[in-house]
Amino acid sequence: DTEVTQTPKHLVMGMTNKKSLKCEQHMGHRAMYWYKQKAKKPPELMFVYSYEKLSINESVPSRFSPECPNSSLLNLHLHALQPEDSALYLCASSRFGDSRLEQFFGPGTRLTVL
Amino acid sequence: AQTVTQSQPEMSVQEAETVTLSCTYDTSENNYYLFWYKQPPSRQMILVIRQEAYKQQNATENRFSVNFQKAAKSFSLKISDSQLGDTAMYFCASDSGNTPLVFGKGTRLSVIA
Repeated sequence: DTEVTQTPKHLVMGMTNKKSLKCEQHMGHRAMYWYKQKAKKPPELMFVYSYEKLSINESVPSRFSPECPNSSLLNLHLHALQPEDSALYLCASSRFGDSRLEQFFGPGTRLTVL
Repeated sequence: AQTVTQSQPEMSVQEAETVTLSCTYDTSENNYYLFWYKQPPSRQMILVIRQEAYKQQNATENRFSVNFQKAAKSFSLKISDSQLGDTAMYFCASDSGNTPLVFGKGTRLSVIA
């Protein structure tokens, strides 16, 4: 199994809703990442988990809350989002907690905040 | 801090021809890696090719090769025998380990039949 899966594929939410994005990999990778990608822009790193510990938080607003329940699963909890948070949210993973190795990306969750 | 610059927002190439995508970078690290990632329309981002900075030999993967000029901090991607499936956004990226992957703004490549 060499893939990263993300659910849901699409999500529409209001500014007062609470929702969660899910990412899963079964490649035994020990680093997992959340990126935000706006249209026609490169991905922007949000969070990095290395060996299930949050190692990087790129000054992301607290309305985004990451969680890594185990080495295969990564969640992103969303609360009180703004319309400008609408974007494609990508999850990725890499072996051994080293981002210099290849990152495997999921297909993304396309989020629309109304 | 690392920066990655892609100066060609869009390019096009005829099927079966060769195209070169440019990338320059800046880093103060000695041990870093350079990448080209491909993001096809509505599909997953995948790694095209990776180069370790300490290796002088240019990386190649089938029809894809790089021209790594360390002193000039240049890392271009050559695609030979272009195919319709090569149509995608191509991101150049740099990673030193101390600061994770930094992407350039991307080059949108269209392969024309």
